[in-house]
Amino acid sequence: SQELEQSPQSLIVQEGKNLTINCTSSKTLYGLYWYKQKYGEGLIFLMMLQKGGEEKSHEKITAKLDEKKQQSSLHITASQPSHAGIYLCGAEETSGSRLTFGEGTQLTVNP
Amino acid sequence: ETGVTQTPRHLVMGMTNKKSLKCEQHLGHNAMYWYKQSAKKPLELMFVYNFKEQTENNSVPSRFSPECPNSSHLFLHLHTLQPEDSALYLCASSKNDQETQYFGPGTRLLVL
Repeated sequence: SQELEQSPQSLIVQEGKNLTINCTSSKTLYGLYWYKQKYGEGLIFLMMLQKGGEEKSHEKITAKLDEKKQQSSLHITASQPSHAGIYLCGAEETSGSRLTFGEGTQLTVNP
Repeated sequence: ETGVTQTPRHLVMGMTNKKSLKCEQHLGHNAMYWYKQSAKKPLELMFVYNFKEQTENNSVPSRFSPECPNSSHLFLHLHTLQPEDSALYLCASSKNDQETQYFGPGTRLLVL
């Protein structure tokens, strides 16, 4: 079965700094989803990537999917305390297959 | 607000109790999901309903019993749970079972 590994597991940055979170799959992906979760709350959908080399941005968050479709990165520019939370990647191995999730990356942004 | 609500938000129950978790979505979606999120573990898919029909049961113990009376509502009935069942239970919905999932805020369950 597909496994997703996220790195780092946790990250502490100073406000204003840039950061990158990675999600690596053991198999080629059909689709890759990024979600954000505040502690003890639900997941907020951020972006979905499907094509090799695809890049999407929303406000200060940019997500990329590599050409081989086995790795995705989430980049936050000029981080704010509001960016703090747990970032989870979820992946579909094939069209219509169930999402497999990584363990998440805990992001802390210090003011 | 994602359009998916869950009640209660917090629940404490004994191992002999019977309780139910409720999920409601106001998005006009046809697929609904239950997930379990435990500390330090990835989200675990429990059940999937598509157009009110259960399409997936991910080897979930029978002490968890889902019910989907219509496409807008999903329940998870709990009975004789174990302490290791303590977790955050998340509901999600999507247009159909191949589209982006939108999650509710979760129910934090503690089994004593």
